[in-house]
Amino acid sequence: AQKITQTQPGMFVQEKEAVTLDCTYDTSDPSYGLFWYKQPSSGEMIFLIYQGSYDQQNATEGRYSLNFQKARKSANLVISASQLGDSAMYFCAILSGSARQLTFGSGTQLTVLP
Amino acid sequence: NAGVTQTPKFRILKIGQSMTLQCAQDMNHNYMYWYRQDPGMGLKLIYYSVGAGITDKGEVPNGYNVSRSTTEDFPLRLELAAPSQTSVYFCASSQDYGQVPYEQYFGPGTRLTVT
Repeated sequence: AQKITQTQPGMFVQEKEAVTLDCTYDTSDPSYGLFWYKQPSSGEMIFLIYQGSYDQQNATEGRYSLNFQKARKSANLVISASQLGDSAMYFCAILSGSARQLTFGSGTQLTVLP
Repeated sequence: NAGVTQTPKFRILKIGQSMTLQCAQDMNHNYMYWYRQDPGMGLKLIYYSVGAGITDKGEVPNGYNVSRSTTEDFPLRLELAAPSQTSVYFCASSQDYGQVPYEQYFGPGTRLTVT
């Protein structure tokens, strides 16, 4: 079974500063993928970034980067130059298994302050 | 492309009523999923399907049923609705051509209240 732990229920960051959202995972599968999704107050799930378990380099997508430390089983999301529109709930998820199932963490509510 | 569509967007059910949440995707994806999201929580997998005619239980299947007669459609049936089923329901789909990142595309969600 897979497990995702997000230990920060809420985070605050000043506009234009960087912020790191923590995620640790547990899985017995040798091959897996780690995802971050953003859920604004409107409710939709927005895919942000992906990291494969065999990827040698950390994933980056614009202002988002994933700090992947395989030995520590952590996959932290770094948002650089925060914007007011980044205020949302952020979910870390792990994908594994033959059915490509996603297991989600409980989320971190990020608030960007002007 | 419409992507993943879900109907209805909102629904209020009385205890004991039944309903079907509709989900359709036009991306020819073989994998489809149903999740529920309780307030302040992450998503939990209810059922999934790896292709037409093949379905299987996820983490929280009790009180639900699914069918997958076509590649496009994956309806979720609630029988004898209970207040514990008050939640937001998301349908998702993905494809596996052996490529990464197996991204799951989510529908907009159905907000269900059982009173």
